[in-house]
Amino acid sequence: DAKTTQPTSMDCAEGRAANLPCNHSTISGNEYVYWYRQIHSQGPQYIIHGLKNNETNEMASLIITEDRKSSTLILPHATLRDTAVYYCTYGQNFVFGPGTRLSVLP
Amino acid sequence: GAVVSQHPSWVICKSGTSVKIECRSLDFQATTMFWYRQFPKQSLMLMATSNEGSKATYEQGVEKDKFLINHASLTLSTLTVTSAHPEDSSFYICSARDVAPRETQYFGPGTRLLVL
Repeated sequence: DAKTTQPTSMDCAEGRAANLPCNHSTISGNEYVYWYRQIHSQGPQYIIHGLKNNETNEMASLIITEDRKSSTLILPHATLRDTAVYYCTYGQNFVFGPGTRLSVLP
Repeated sequence: GAVVSQHPSWVICKSGTSVKIECRSLDFQATTMFWYRQFPKQSLMLMATSNEGSKATYEQGVEKDKFLINHASLTLSTLTVTSAHPEDSSFYICSARDVAPRETQYFGPGTRLLVL
């Protein structure tokens, strides 16, 4: 069981920020949150991970709530190439849920 | 970033034959690798966890005699689909886990298997 909850799908206008939420209420204090994405017919791609503090890299930003029970992945300026299925997971949980299918629209 | 390769990228075989898929971590050592399969429009399904030098741990419902996993080195794991049948046709993806504390998974590009 994935133990995370994500919206099934989301749309975002090209150039706008895409905010993808994830609930992980059973996370333990020392478990990292990880985000991946899978573009059609490819292997998943690592995006970002975090423990407690917000994180930013060249791909995205990760906002983790203070209680760590949820997080939000932010793509600041979505492009058409960001259309993909986005998965969040945490700790030693290597089972993936259905993820969020993000469609970036022109 | 860490790179994981898979070979072959696609394979077509006859029913009853065996197919071997290789998964390599190219620029890091991975004591743990994972094998997933994915059907169209579905999420990744974890098949097994492969630890270097020991037997793989299979998820419930995955036949270990059907899907043979070998993890003989810190950079190579193989999945052999034995006596393949059309229902084994799927997209097989491996991943390799980085060391603690990151423990990030890096995925291979996947292998598409078609059994005729």
